[in-house]
Amino acid sequence: QSDLTQPRSVSGSPGQSVTISCTGTSSDVGGYDYVSWYQQHPGKAPKLIIYDVSKRPSGVPDRFSGSKSGNTASLTISGLQAEDEADYHCCSYAGSYSFVFVTGTKVTV
Amino acid sequence: QITLKESGPTLVKPTQTLTLTCTFSGFSLRNSRVGVGWIRQPPGQALEWLALFYWDDDRRYSPSLRHRLTIIADTSKNQVVLTMTNMDPVDTATYYCAHIMITYGGVPEKDAFDIWGQGTEVTVSS
Repeated sequence: QSDLTQPRSVSGSPGQSVTISCTGTSSDVGGYDYVSWYQQHPGKAPKLIIYDVSKRPSGVPDRFSGSKSGNTASLTISGLQAEDEADYHCCSYAGSYSFVFVTGTKVTV
Repeated sequence: QITLKESGPTLVKPTQTLTLTCTFSGFSLRNSRVGVGWIRQPPGQALEWLALFYWDDDRRYSPSLRHRLTIIADTSKNQVVLTMTNMDPVDTATYYCAHIMITYGGVPEKDAFDIWGQGTEVTVSS
């Protein structure tokens, strides 16, 4: 099982776009299209915002988008809004019905 | 509507065994492709996946913590229980349980933790 890597913080102004990366290995991110992203506000439980690399659950704004290239997955927040300020966590299927989470990235607006 | 709620002690002593219960509603662990997982988050740190209990009684554990974890389920009570032995102050964290549906038998699912409990804080201290 790998340790996925993410930058610890990114910032942007309202209306701008920010992209968070999540780098794993061929045993997790690169090996499966089962990358998910979670948004977590302070003191709250994580909330699923992206699954299967790029799909959004019902109710998640379309300014959140996901992609993957090789062993790196990315989350892009377009048209940044104040309420997007939160921690974002990347998770990948790691084979054998197990999963791995990544160090969260704090997004500051 | 799916809900999950964690319960257990807020304080445990080093070397003790932690037992946490996840009580859920809105789904059945007898249904195919359903799972309940445990994830923890030390203060100010990242999420860490711990264990998963699947509908077919399959259990999966974090490789780094496998030797300390046991996950069981009581489907009649809609509960999933996680035990962690030999607790240490570094195990101080908020512990979450979460619902997951996995792709299996050619049926696509989210393969993500889509509904989470509110979390329960556990402090390990003497």
